[in-house]
Amino acid sequence: EDQVTQSPEALRLQEGESSSLNCSYTVSGLRGLFWYRQDPGKGPEFLFTLYSAGEEKEKERLKATLTKKESFLHITAPKPEDSATYLCAVQDSGSARQLTFGSGTQLTVLP
Amino acid sequence: DVKVTQSSRYLVKRTGEKVFLECVQDMDHENMFWYRQDPGLGLRLIYFSYDVKMKEKGDIPEGYSVSREKKERFSLILESASTNQTSMYLCASRRRLEGLSPLHFGNGTRLTVT
Repeated sequence: EDQVTQSPEALRLQEGESSSLNCSYTVSGLRGLFWYRQDPGKGPEFLFTLYSAGEEKEKERLKATLTKKESFLHITAPKPEDSATYLCAVQDSGSARQLTFGSGTQLTVLP
Repeated sequence: DVKVTQSSRYLVKRTGEKVFLECVQDMDHENMFWYRQDPGLGLRLIYFSYDVKMKEKGDIPEGYSVSREKKERFSLILESASTNQTSMYLCASRRRLEGLSPLHFGNGTRLTVT
C-alpha cells in the first residue's frame, strides 16, 4: 500500500527565514510526485510535478527536489503570502488511476 | 486556465437526507474525481470517472454514489447522509487518466450533517 508522510505538520517562520518541508513516500514504483498549495477555504492549486530522482523544479521562492525516498520543498526568504498548507501526492506505476496524498504541512510566515 | 466549479460552498443537511453535490469543469477533461478532506487524514478518493456513464470506486466509496451523464458534469450523491460524512468535499478533473497531468481542483463544498 502506498504511503505518503509529510513533516512537519505545522511550521512557523519569520519573514525571510528559509526552510524546507519534507514528503517521504513508499510506493512500488514512482511514476510522479506532485506538490500542491492550498489556501484556507480553497481547493489545492498545482505547483510542481517531479518524475525521477535528482530532478529539481523552481517557481519564485519555491524549489522542489526528489530522491528515491523523499521530496523536499525548499522555501527561500519566504513572505507572509507564502502562508498556506502544502500537500504532496504520489502516483504509483502500479495504480495509474489514483494519487495518494499526504496530510500536508501548514506553513505560517510571520511579518 | 481550467475551471472546476462546485455548486455550493457550504451545505447543512440533516441525518437521513439525500444530498447532491455538483461539479462542472470547462476544459473537456475526460477524468473527474471526488475527494473528501479531513484534518490529519489528507485527501481520500471517494469515486472517479474516466468517461461519461463510467465510474470506479476509490478508497472510501461506502455511503456514496456518483453520476456522470455529461462529460463536463460529475455529481456526488449521499444516499442517506450521516454525521460521519461531515467533511470538506473536493471535486477535481484531469486531462489524461494514464498520464501525469495534474489534477485541477474546485474550491470545495463544506458539508455539515446534523
